[in-house]
Amino acid sequence: AQSVAQPEDQVNVAEGNPLTVKCTYSVSGNPYLFWYVQYPNRGLQFLLKYITGDNLVKGSYGFEAEFNKSQTSFHLKKPSALVSDSALYFCAVRVPSGTYKYIFGTGTRLKVLA
Amino acid sequence: KAGVTQTPRYLIKTRGQQVTLSCSPISGHRSVSWYQQTPGQGLQFLFEYFSETQRNKGNFPGRFSGRQFSNSRSEMNVSTLELGDSALYLCASSHEGGVGEKLFFGSGTQLSVL
Repeated sequence: AQSVAQPEDQVNVAEGNPLTVKCTYSVSGNPYLFWYVQYPNRGLQFLLKYITGDNLVKGSYGFEAEFNKSQTSFHLKKPSALVSDSALYFCAVRVPSGTYKYIFGTGTRLKVLA
Repeated sequence: KAGVTQTPRYLIKTRGQQVTLSCSPISGHRSVSWYQQTPGQGLQFLFEYFSETQRNKGNFPGRFSGRQFSNSRSEMNVSTLELGDSALYLCASSHEGGVGEKLFFGSGTQLSVL
């Protein structure tokens, strides 16, 4: 079965420190990978995506993600965390065949401490 | 350009009732998809509509149904509500629903079933 895993329910990081939010996937075929962020009482907002090409993808608000095919991972990173980055982060995958459904992870709550 | 609009924002219903949620996509977007968000479960895909046709469907019982109108607006209906249907229901739109397209989400409808 195709799936996305976000192994950490919550990640705490001090403001100014680098942050990593982990995501691994299990799909057949070449995946299209996405990160979305959800602020309180809001819908999800797109951060970045990997389709093909350079394994390091840069996105909104200074976030980036690294695609690692051998480890089937797509971890979200930021060099220096801000308190305003505190939110719920979702990793998602689409497989370019069949039904093209989005498969979302369960989300990771990021808390950046001042 | 107006974003994705979902109405109502909050709903309180009792078991056994039915409910209809509405979603207006971004102008020009023809693909509308629906998701159920619950704590710990992340986002579960309900269905996707494109040009008034259901193109994809998730693993939800037949009590969950939807439709799309010629102006791309979409409605989701849940009949015979159960306590477990309490969740945030999110609607998302994109131009064509292509596999590499990002989704634009509404703020959701928070449904509470008592």
